[in-house]
Amino acid sequence: SQTIHQWPATLVQPVGSPLSLECTVEGTSNPNLYWYRQAAGRGLQLLFYSVGIGQISSEVPQNLSASRPQDRQFILSSKKLLLSDSGFYLCAWSVLRWETGELFFGEGSRLTVL
Amino acid sequence: GQNIDQPTEMTATEGAIVQINCTYQTSGFNGLFWYQQHAGEAPTFLSYNVLDGLEEKGRFSSFLSRSKGYSYLLLKELQMKDSASYLCAVRDSNYQLIWGAGTKLIIKP
Repeated sequence: SQTIHQWPATLVQPVGSPLSLECTVEGTSNPNLYWYRQAAGRGLQLLFYSVGIGQISSEVPQNLSASRPQDRQFILSSKKLLLSDSGFYLCAWSVLRWETGELFFGEGSRLTVL
Repeated sequence: GQNIDQPTEMTATEGAIVQINCTYQTSGFNGLFWYQQHAGEAPTFLSYNVLDGLEEKGRFSSFLSRSKGYSYLLLKELQMKDSASYLCAVRDSNYQLIWGAGTKLIIKP
């Protein structure tokens, strides 16, 4: 069966510090991978998605970046965090156009920037 | 622009029935999803509608009217564990998901 894990689950970082969130998927090949951010009272905001190794699409311009060094690994990074980067970050995978194409989410990473 | 509307919060009683509505305006339509999200956790898939009508899955049902840009999630025989946020999302013509802000459902004994 397929599983998805992301870490760390919780982190508190000072403004201006770097960030690295990692996500891995097991049990499937060539998944579509996504990074979302969820702010309180707002819908999920798509940050990045990837349809293959090294293929990254950015949906919202900001100081975050994403990389996909391996087929089932997706990394969200920042060189210098802003206060506005605080939120709940979710990694997800899907197989486009396979059955419903539903998203499967990782456990989430709660980031607080102070 | 693209927009998904759903109520911010609803309250219901254990054992009762509740209907959570979702209206949407999107660039194209390739299906509507409902997800459940407990506080502090990731969303989990509940249902998918792409054709008009009702899809039933145990205590949960989801309805879609594409002509009206409208869906609802119906929860029967409510249990305390159903207290959660319910997210409506529409897949647009580019196969990207547009998300509503979610409806927080509070179940009272």
